[in-house]
Amino acid sequence: GIQVEQSPPDLILQEGANSTLRCNFSDSVNNLQWFHQNPWGQLINLFYIPSGTKQNGRLSATTVATERYSLLYISSSQTTDSGVYFCAATLGAGNMLTFGGGTRLMVKP
Amino acid sequence: DAGITQSPRYKITETGRQVTLMCHQTWSHSYMFWYRQDLGHGLRLIYYSAAADITDKGEVPDGYVVSRSKTENFPLTLESATRSQTSVYFCASRQGTNYGYTFGSGTRLTVV
Repeated sequence: GIQVEQSPPDLILQEGANSTLRCNFSDSVNNLQWFHQNPWGQLINLFYIPSGTKQNGRLSATTVATERYSLLYISSSQTTDSGVYFCAATLGAGNMLTFGGGTRLMVKP
Repeated sequence: DAGITQSPRYKITETGRQVTLMCHQTWSHSYMFWYRQDLGHGLRLIYYSAAADITDKGEVPDGYVVSRSKTENFPLTLESATRSQTSVYFCASRQGTNYGYTFGSGTRLTVV
């Protein structure tokens, strides 16, 4: 099956700082998503981005499918950005969404 | 309210008991999924369904049963709960293979 690896595993930022989270995947993917799991455990869909670049407020994401990686950019971080960020992908037309290990982000005031 | 809802939010049950976790979505999405999240293992697929009356096993199906008689509902049943099934269970749906997944808020299940 597909392998999804995220880096860094942990990240501590001061409020207002910018950061880049990386997701590498082992094979061609059909579906690539970024999720934020907040401190209450909810999984919030940030981006569906199998290729290209998208932006939503302070967050943006880029997937370079040919090079098998995706990046999530967080600008002007806020304490509410804290939590775990997951990258997840499906192989081809499959239905098994495989998650990376996550990046645990803590934003300090 | 529109969306995907799970119930209950929290459940404590005893070993050997049958328990059913409910999942309901209002979008008429074809695909529905059950995942469990455990420390050290991340999120793993239990079962999924491509349409009403069509279900298939995921990565960790043992000890679980699913059914999908209606498009909007996808219940997950633990026929005889074990302590190893203590976990957070997430339901998800997607419209089709070229669409993203949307997750419910999760059910925290504790088997004592």
